[in-house]
Amino acid sequence: DAGVIQSPRHEVTEMGQEVTLRCKPISGHDYLFWYRQTMMRGLELLIYFNNNVPIDDSGMPEDRFSAKMPNASFSTLKIQPSEPRDSAVYFCASSRASIMMETQYFGPGTRLLVL
Amino acid sequence: SQQGEEDPQALSIQEGENATMNCSYKTSINNLQWYRQNSGRGLVHLILIRSNEREKHSGRLRVTLDTSKKSSSLLITASRAADTASYFCATDQGQKLVFGQGTRLTINP
Repeated sequence: DAGVIQSPRHEVTEMGQEVTLRCKPISGHDYLFWYRQTMMRGLELLIYFNNNVPIDDSGMPEDRFSAKMPNASFSTLKIQPSEPRDSAVYFCASSRASIMMETQYFGPGTRLLVL
Repeated sequence: SQQGEEDPQALSIQEGENATMNCSYKTSINNLQWYRQNSGRGLVHLILIRSNEREKHSGRLRVTLDTSKKSSSLLITASRAADTASYFCATDQGQKLVFGQGTRLTINP
């Protein structure tokens, strides 16, 4: 299996622009997670899906952030408009239902820089 | 605040030595996990210990759990340069995994 795939790996954009991050989970995994990692705040859970349905989005910073999962093999995290404080590494992770709380498989991350 | 907090924040040792990292947490858990993150990469699951277990081994890794003290330790024996990474503990809180801030481990040749 190719593992969790994220794109792009790096993104540099200007404040006010829309940013879309993409994730392909491991085939057969029922859960998909979006995390953000910064030096100041560490690794934060933004939102997670079960069978394509958003379950908990309490970690989404504000209305500028939105996430979708139109099918079992694709998810997007969108920031509109982006701000410099959104600069971080964004990780997508997936897991099987039976071990959702036990083992999560992380993608390589998208390093976002908002100027 | 973070559910899991690692100690120390950074650790530098010589190759071949043992490395010990600690994690403390605040609320009751069902299990505690340790993950490794190499520079520029995603996190990789290392080992899970359940609340009714006290010790677990996996290769050169040894994890202990003391639920009375709400703490866990990760021991890496006979360290290698490839062990240089950040190590995170994660605890289940509700329906989420909550990660600590991590310990940055450097193995010097």
